[in-house]
Order: sequence, then C-alpha cells, then structure tokens
Amino acid sequence: KAGVTQTPRYLIKTRGQQVTLSCSPISGHRSVSWYQQTPGQGLQFLFEYFSETQRNKGNFPGRFSGRQFSNSRSEMNVSTLELGDSALYLCASSWDGGLRHTEAFFGQGTRLTVV
Amino acid sequence: LAKTTQPISMDSYEGQEVNITCSHNNIATNDYITWYQQFPSQGPRFIIQGYKTKVTNEVASLFIPADRKSSTLSLPRVSLSDTAVYYCLVAPSMDTGRRALTFGSGTRLQVQP
Repeated sequence: KAGVTQTPRYLIKTRGQQVTLSCSPISGHRSVSWYQQTPGQGLQFLFEYFSETQRNKGNFPGRFSGRQFSNSRSEMNVSTLELGDSALYLCASSWDGGLRHTEAFFGQGTRLTVV
Repeated sequence: LAKTTQPISMDSYEGQEVNITCSHNNIATNDYITWYQQFPSQGPRFIIQGYKTKVTNEVASLFIPADRKSSTLSLPRVSLSDTAVYYCLVAPSMDTGRRALTFGSGTRLQVQP
C-alpha cells in the first residue's frame, strides 16, 4: 500500500510569510504526527492529531498549528516565518486501534528554507 | 518520558556485526523500546520494537536485559547501505494514549568498505 505522502518536498519562503504543509497518511491510519528536524535540535515533536482532534502538543510557539480532516489527511501551518524555522518537517502516521503498540511510518518530509 | 542515552557515533566495516547500546534508566513499566533508522533527508524508518528479552526480525535483533534499563540493537553483517543514524526510543505507553515520540541524538553509524 502507499506510504505516507508529504507535499511539497521542497519549499522556499521569505521571513514573515506563512506556509502550509500537507500530509496524507497511510490508508486506514487515523493518527498523524508532525516533527521538526534541524541539525541543532534534532527531531522534535510538534503535535499529533487523531480523529480530527489534536491529542498531543509539543513545546512550540503558537505560530505552529495544524489540523486534520475527516479523511485523516493533515496540514500544518507556520505563520510569520522566521529564519530558524528552516528545517525538515516530517509527518508520521500510525494505526491506532488502542489495543497494541504500533509503529509510526514517516514520510520523506518537506524541506522548508526560510530566507 | 524516559530519556535515552546512546553513543554519538560508531564505525564499522562491511560484513561485521554492529551492536549499538542504549540506556534508558527511567523506563516505565508499560513502555516499549523502539529503534528507528534514518538516512539523510528521509524520514526515520522503524527497525524493531521490544519489551523484554530478545526480539529478532529480518533486519536486526534487539536484546533487552531483565531490568530493562538498557537495550542493544544488533545489526548482523552490515553493508555500506546500513550507514545511517539509529535512534533508540522509549515508546509511549498505550495506557496513557500518548503518541509523541521522543528522539534523542541518535547514533551515527558509518560503515566502511
């Protein structure tokens, strides 16, 4: 089956702009998480959505937001972009039946460069 | 969330067995240990997960001692394509519904020919 799809793969934005990234999870997966990866901070959890509700949130400012649609697709938005927001943004989906541990499947990420 | 500690980097040669050890002293009773592999500019990929003793799949083995305060990922006969960063994570407990994965710094494995 198809993996996690993230679009776009690459993006260049200017400081102050906003950006929306998209993630289509694996079919049947209802949990979608977002991560930011930078050379300095490594992989950091942003937030997680399940059944259109944000279930968990990492320690990021309010400029970072997300949402999930009824088909489990998710978007994340970053407003008022800063140079430090340049990073690889990764989306992960997992099946959440609540009965056992499941693995998270990651997409290839969106490389955002803020200039 | 339990913190993990693993070596920053390791070097090996093709055909050798590589063992990467991770310590997680504060692991909770319901926590599982999970290892991910990441290549540059790609998302992490699940390798193996376990709770105790030994788990083996087609890619690797995971050894977990009885006290579960550490774990060892074993990669048999590595090849150049195994050059990657390996992350040890303590998976969130299913009971609390937490789904945030906490990635540490990872171990950068460099396989030489």
